[in-house]
Amino acid sequence: GAGVSQSPSNKVTEKGKDVELRCDPISGHTALYWYRQRLGQGLEFLIYFQGNSAPDKSGLPSDRFSAERTGESVSTLTIQRTQQEDSAVYLCASSSQGQTYNEQFFGPGTRLTVL
Amino acid sequence: QQQVKQSPQSLIVQKGGISIINCAYENTAFDYFPWYQQFPGKGPALLIAIRPDVSEKKEGRFTISFNKSAKQFSLHIMDSQPGDSATYFCAASIGNFGNEKLTFGTGTRLTIIP
Repeated sequence: GAGVSQSPSNKVTEKGKDVELRCDPISGHTALYWYRQRLGQGLEFLIYFQGNSAPDKSGLPSDRFSAERTGESVSTLTIQRTQQEDSAVYLCASSSQGQTYNEQFFGPGTRLTVL
Repeated sequence: QQQVKQSPQSLIVQKGGISIINCAYENTAFDYFPWYQQFPGKGPALLIAIRPDVSEKKEGRFTISFNKSAKQFSLHIMDSQPGDSATYFCAASIGNFGNEKLTFGTGTRLTIIP
């Protein structure tokens, strides 16, 4: 089976515009995570979906950021009124359910550049 | 507040040498400590992971050493090869189901020279 896929791979936008990033997790994985990786830095947790539970939004940096997930499949991360500090690689990961310490499988990321 | 501190930021090691990357954490609730390897243009991939009930875990040339009392853990790469050149991230999480978001270190760019 395919791994985690993300689209687009690169996105250049102008300050103030909205952007939508897409993640397709591994089939059957119930957990889905979004992380942000700024240049030269580690990954920052943004949001976590687990099955039908309420998502953990504790990492979202502002109310301009939101994410949705359709059932246990595709997720979209939306950034409204983008700012230059939003420029980063946005990574999605998924993992299976049923045991602790589940490995998170990462997609290749979407590189967002806000001009 | 940076909960996982990683050092060094960059590391150059000769082929065949030992690469050592260190991490320290603050949250004593963390109980799962993975290391991820990331090549340019790719997402991170799990390399090796440890739980705090053991002090060392070895998989091939990769070893994690864990010191619970010092709240430190390290990655050792034996017989380092040019193909090991990548960025390495340590991470930590609370492994109980439903609360597994990872807290990452800032990364170490490892370069293996011939």
